[in-house]
Amino acid sequence: DSGVTQTPKHLITATGQRVTLRCSPRSGDLSVYWYQQSLDQGLQFLIQYYNGEERAKGNILERFSAQQFPDLHSELNLSSLELGDSALYFCASSVGPGNTEAFFGQGTRLTVV
Amino acid sequence: QQQVKQSPQSLIVQKGGISIINCAYENTAFDYFPWYQQFPGKGPALLIAIRPDVSEKKEGRFTISFNKSAKQFSLHIMDSQPGDSATYFCAASMPGAGGTSYGKLTFGQGTILTVHP
Repeated sequence: DSGVTQTPKHLITATGQRVTLRCSPRSGDLSVYWYQQSLDQGLQFLIQYYNGEERAKGNILERFSAQQFPDLHSELNLSSLELGDSALYFCASSVGPGNTEAFFGQGTRLTVV
Repeated sequence: QQQVKQSPQSLIVQKGGISIINCAYENTAFDYFPWYQQFPGKGPALLIAIRPDVSEKKEGRFTISFNKSAKQFSLHIMDSQPGDSATYFCAASMPGAGGTSYGKLTFGQGTILTVHP
């Protein structure tokens, strides 16, 4: 167990809908990262937050947004969902500041029907 | 510039054999190279990592070999066991601005390792 908690584990929703994925980082970790894993794109970095502030953006669609709250948990919001958004979404966290490795949660499997 | 290329896509090894997975990168700003192991239904788990100031790092049966001039690194799994059957990802990262970390990873496409008993 990495100590990173993601909810829900599974989510099935219809096209056009909006969902929110939640991540609780390891105790003491200030950085949160979101990744998308799909068969065709592999593991892709989406966005990073550090202590409540956005720090880096990857290939994140405009329909997707995230935030990190004062208690350091993070939420990834996916809107106007399309079939192609079906994927595993992982959250990872690291200690920060400084440079340390990241630990991944178990992921949320999103299925858009 | 940001790509990490991994090979092979799949690998079948007999129990007790050596599994070798290779990765190549392009961006010379990368200076942290971890390997992750992922079992079905689980998140990637950090296995071993190396920085470019060393050419080899060993942890138990797992060894990373690093060739800075060739911009290549590889994972060797000695005495492979059926329990090692998983998907392995190489990755690369670079230091961020103050307060950030190596968690912004560029991943290879993954190698599905199957170890037959």
